[in-house]
Amino acid sequence: DAGITQSPRHKVTETGTPVTLRCHQTENHRYMYWYRQDPGHGLRLIHYSYGVKDTDKGEVSDGYSVSRSKTEDFLLTLESATSSQTSVYFCAIGDRVTEAFFGQGTRLTVV
Amino acid sequence: KNQVEQSPQSLIILEGKNCTLQCNYTVSPFSNLRWYKQDTGRGPVSLTIMTFSENTKSNGRYTATLDADTKQSSLHITASQLSDSASYICVVSDYGRGSTLGRLYFGRGTQLTVWP
Repeated sequence: DAGITQSPRHKVTETGTPVTLRCHQTENHRYMYWYRQDPGHGLRLIHYSYGVKDTDKGEVSDGYSVSRSKTEDFLLTLESATSSQTSVYFCAIGDRVTEAFFGQGTRLTVV
Repeated sequence: KNQVEQSPQSLIILEGKNCTLQCNYTVSPFSNLRWYKQDTGRGPVSLTIMTFSENTKSNGRYTATLDADTKQSSLHITASQLSDSASYICVVSDYGRGSTLGRLYFGRGTQLTVWP
């Protein structure tokens, strides 16, 4: 799994609660990404980072924020979870912007 | 608009048979094309990567082809096995322009089921 660890692997939370997903890498790659995967949509980019404290929005960033205070950690936060954010979330890393190695995913259910 | 289209959406074949999955893209300027395999409940794993100058790349029983002129790629699986049952995702990346970073464009995948 290219030295990527996502935590938690599964989470059930209630609507309106904050949720933070963590991605940890041991590869010292510059680029880190958060994707969500839903049936019929494939993988969609939420946010990405191109260095410590350097982040930018992807195509489905509304309702999500990220932080990267260290090279190895990239956090995804849902400030107030909604049912539409029920999904499988994947972290990916890359040494170049045109590559991505994926983690195992986090299955999030918002009830 | 940069897009990646895959066909078929799903495919069922018998163990031991060959199959070919298709990927058409409109991404420009083209950087590279990857095929990923995603087993159920797991993250995608890269099978092959091809740049503009490469037209064939093999990884065991998996052979990917690329026609950069027609912007088409295929993934051929030979002598299929039950473990080949998975989703196969085509991903195309572009080069950044100016201050914009390059990015990845994902197809929605082909769900392959191999029956014994």
